[in-house]
Amino acid sequence: QVQLVQSGAEVKKPGASVKVSCKASGYTFTNYDINWVRQATGQGLEWMGWMNPYSGNTGYVEKFQGRVTMTRDTSISTAYMELSRLTSDDTAVYYCARIRSGTYWFDPWGQGTLVTVS
Amino acid sequence: QSALTQPASVSGSPGQSITISCTGTSRDVGAYNYVSWYQQHLGKAPKLMIYDVTKRPSGVSDRFSGSKSGNTASLTISGLQAEDEADYYCSSYTSSSTPWVFGGGTKLAVL
Repeated sequence: QVQLVQSGAEVKKPGASVKVSCKASGYTFTNYDINWVRQATGQGLEWMGWMNPYSGNTGYVEKFQGRVTMTRDTSISTAYMELSRLTSDDTAVYYCARIRSGTYWFDPWGQGTLVTVS
Repeated sequence: QSALTQPASVSGSPGQSITISCTGTSRDVGAYNYVSWYQQHLGKAPKLMIYDVTKRPSGVSDRFSGSKSGNTASLTISGLQAEDEADYYCSSYTSSSTPWVFGGGTKLAVL
C-alpha cells in the first residue's frame, strides 16, 4: 500500500539544524510532489513548502526562505527536509504528505517527526 | 492566526449530525473548488476525508460529506459515532504567494 515513513524524533539545541527523512513506498516516487507541513503542540497545521522528486524543483513559504531546504534521493525513494538556525518556535511535529501535480489534496501523510528545540 | 477560520470546537451525541464550517476569502475557498478536509486523531497523522469540496476517497464512510457556499466550506458528519471524535482541519488552494492554507482546526467531541 502507499506509505510514507518518516525518521524518528530529534532533540536539537537552538541554532542547530535538523534533517527529517520521508521514505515513500507503494507508488512511483517521482510521480508525486512531496509537501512538508508542521504542527506545533496544540496548534494547527502550517504548510512549509513542496518538492518535485522528478525535477528537484522546490517552493518554500516565505517565512522559511533561507532556512529550509527540501531535497530527495530518488535511488531510495526518500525525501528530506532540512531546517537550520533552529529556535524554540520550531519545536513541532513535521509531516511529509504526497500530492499529485494537478490535484489539490494531500494523501497520504507520513506518521510525523517530533523535533524538539531545547 | 490561520488563513481559514474554523470553530474551535463542536459537539454532538451519537447518532446526531454535526457541521463544521471553514471560512476563507475570494482568493481561496471562494475562488476554487479545491477544499479538502482532514481528520486527525490524537497523536496520529492527518487523514484525508473529503477532497475537491464534495468528493470522498475510497474507504471513507458516506456519513462524511462536504459542501461549499461562497467563501465558506462545510463538513457534515451524520450518524455520529464515538470513533469520529477527533480534530478536523480544512485546507484550500489559494492564489496567494502560499498556494496552500489550512484552518485552525475544530475539535469534535462525541458526548
